Amino acid sequence: DAGVIQSPRHEVTEMGQEVTLRCKPISGHDYLFWYRQTMMRGLELLIYFNNNVPIDDSGMPEDRFSAKMPNASFSTLKIQPSEPRDSAVYFCASDLRSGNTIYFGEGSWLTVV
Amino acid sequence: GEDVEQSLFLSVREGDSSVINCTYTDSSSTYLYWYKQEPGAGLQLLTYIFSNMDMKQDQRLTVLLNKKDKHLSLRIADTQTGDSAIYFCAEIVTGGFKTIFGAGTRLFVKA
Repeated sequence: DAGVIQSPRHEVTEMGQEVTLRCKPISGHDYLFWYRQTMMRGLELLIYFNNNVPIDDSGMPEDRFSAKMPNASFSTLKIQPSEPRDSAVYFCASDLRSGNTIYFGEGSWLTVV
Repeated sequence: GEDVEQSLFLSVREGDSSVINCTYTDSSSTYLYWYKQEPGAGLQLLTYIFSNMDMKQDQRLTVLLNKKDKHLSLRIADTQTGDSAIYFCAEIVTGGFKTIFGAGTRLFVKA
């Protein structure tokens, strides 16, 4: 299995621009998670989906952030407009049955200047 | 509330044992995990323990669970430079739908 695939691996963008991060979960996994990692705040759960439906988005920092999962093999996390404080590593992860083992992607390293 | 706490740094000499500690809050957690993150990479599951166990051993890794004190520890025997990484403790909160991670303990191994 290829594992959780994220793109882009690295992105540098200017403040105010739209950023779209993409994720392909492991085939057959029915839970998908978006996490953000920063030095200051550690690893934060932003949102998670079950069977493509958003279950808990309480971790999404503000309205500039949105996430979608149009089908079982694809999810996006969008930031519009982006701000320098959004600079972080964004991880996508998937799980066959929540409460079991979460598998992480390699992360998307975002820098907003 | 939901919180997992870990010390932020640990430094050991190569060949010594490392012990990374964690406290968690949800007494009904069914699984507790240790994840490892190497530089520039995502988190990888290192080991886990089911809540009805006190100890689990896997080669150089020993996990100890004290449910009464809600304390979890990871011991790495004969620590190697390749063990240098960030180690995250994690718990499944009640309902089984969310995994909460600690801030991570950065392990430095000195040759």
